[in-house]
Amino acid sequence: DVKVTQSSRYLVKRTGEKVFLECVQDMDHENMFWYRQDPGLGLRLIYFSYDVKMKEKGDIPEGYSVSREKKERFSLILESASTNQTSMYLCASSGGQGQRHEQYFGPGTRLTVT
Amino acid sequence: SQQGEEDPQALSIQEGENATMNCSYKTSINNLQWYRQNSGRGLVHLILIRSNEREKHSGRLRVTLDTSKKSSSLLITASRAADTASYFCATEYGNNRLAFGKGNQVVVIP
Repeated sequence: DVKVTQSSRYLVKRTGEKVFLECVQDMDHENMFWYRQDPGLGLRLIYFSYDVKMKEKGDIPEGYSVSREKKERFSLILESASTNQTSMYLCASSGGQGQRHEQYFGPGTRLTVT
Repeated sequence: SQQGEEDPQALSIQEGENATMNCSYKTSINNLQWYRQNSGRGLVHLILIRSNEREKHSGRLRVTLDTSKKSSSLLITASRAADTASYFCATEYGNNRLAFGKGNQVVVIP
């Protein structure tokens, strides 16, 4: 089974702090994604990556950056956390043999910025 | 935006009944997918239907796709309490990018 893990289930940070959210997948997937999920807004794509050291902006990249130094790991960085970044963050991966299209999600990190 | 929109937004049914959810989208797609999310957890892929398919089955799930109307429906037959969850449609466009709808909350009453 594909496993996507995220470094924390719950995280509380202060305004202005630098925040790292880590995501690791164990299925040799090429594609990795970061979403945020907010009530009434559904899932919105922040950044994605199709390969190591490659990144592309999603629909709401402002205030975020990403890093993909290894194929299995995709990090989301909040350079200076703000209260409007309080949200559920979901990581996903896809690809591999046969280029399967479904995305596999991690359990999510609920981030609160105070 | 590609974003799908589900209808209805919330559904409450008795165990054993069928649940139907609809999804509409705006532009051309490669495929349409449905996901389930249990409270406060990650999403789980349920079923994928390609743009050249009209209907697909998987266990108690039935998905239809009407590309002329840009709409899809998900039917869950003989619902169980464990089906209580949020259900999202997602349209794939470009290279494996997904645009998600806002989700349907389904409550199955035992």
